[in-house]
Amino acid sequence: QVQLKESGPGLVQPSQTLSLTCTVSGFSLTSYHVSWVRQPPGKGLEWMGVIWTGGSTAYNSLLKSRLSISRDISKSQVFLKMNSLQTEDTATYYCARGGGWFAYWGQGTLVTVSS
Amino acid sequence: EIVLTQSPTTMAASPGEKVTITCRASSSVSYMHWYQQKPGASPKPWIYDTSKLASGVPNRFSGSGSGTSYSLTISSMETEDTATYYCQQWSSNSPITFGSGTKLEIK
Repeated sequence: QVQLKESGPGLVQPSQTLSLTCTVSGFSLTSYHVSWVRQPPGKGLEWMGVIWTGGSTAYNSLLKSRLSISRDISKSQVFLKMNSLQTEDTATYYCARGGGWFAYWGQGTLVTVSS
Repeated sequence: EIVLTQSPTTMAASPGEKVTITCRASSSVSYMHWYQQKPGASPKPWIYDTSKLASGVPNRFSGSGSGTSYSLTISSMETEDTATYYCQQWSSNSPITFGSGTKLEIK
């Protein structure tokens, strides 16, 4: 059974760094790509980036300077780090399986950027 | 990047009514994917590769299109179809982008 689950702090202060973990089960990170997608409250979906099966990454150009995605294959975990957070980064952050189409999604984790 | 424009932004349909949601791309894409999202829930894969229904999707849904114009159609609206629908593309020459969503309500 394929599952993805995001975890991380619910509250981050402005200018600080966000660190999220996506723990997957039911598939291998060497067989499927994993992406991060976020959704501000009441707004649409924004693709953030992907880590490919080979370990390379691709990022949304708007976030590239602040964003890093990595993984630990042995722990079946994908990590997102984004620095210099601002209030407009408040959103639900999802990890999803895929790099072109997302067949499985995590439940999402709400991150609020506030002092 | 390729911009996806969905129309309408919101709409209401009566039970049994045919519904069509359109997604236009700023440049030609090979495939379009669609997701259904209900309040408080994660997006669900709905239609992939333009016209293939994801697992569990009722066959009153269909997808079509090519080039820069794609659509999602419901042949006969049901109450459970109330949701927001997003189109999404991926191309080798563009990052992944989503449409802004179409909120579909029941009359």
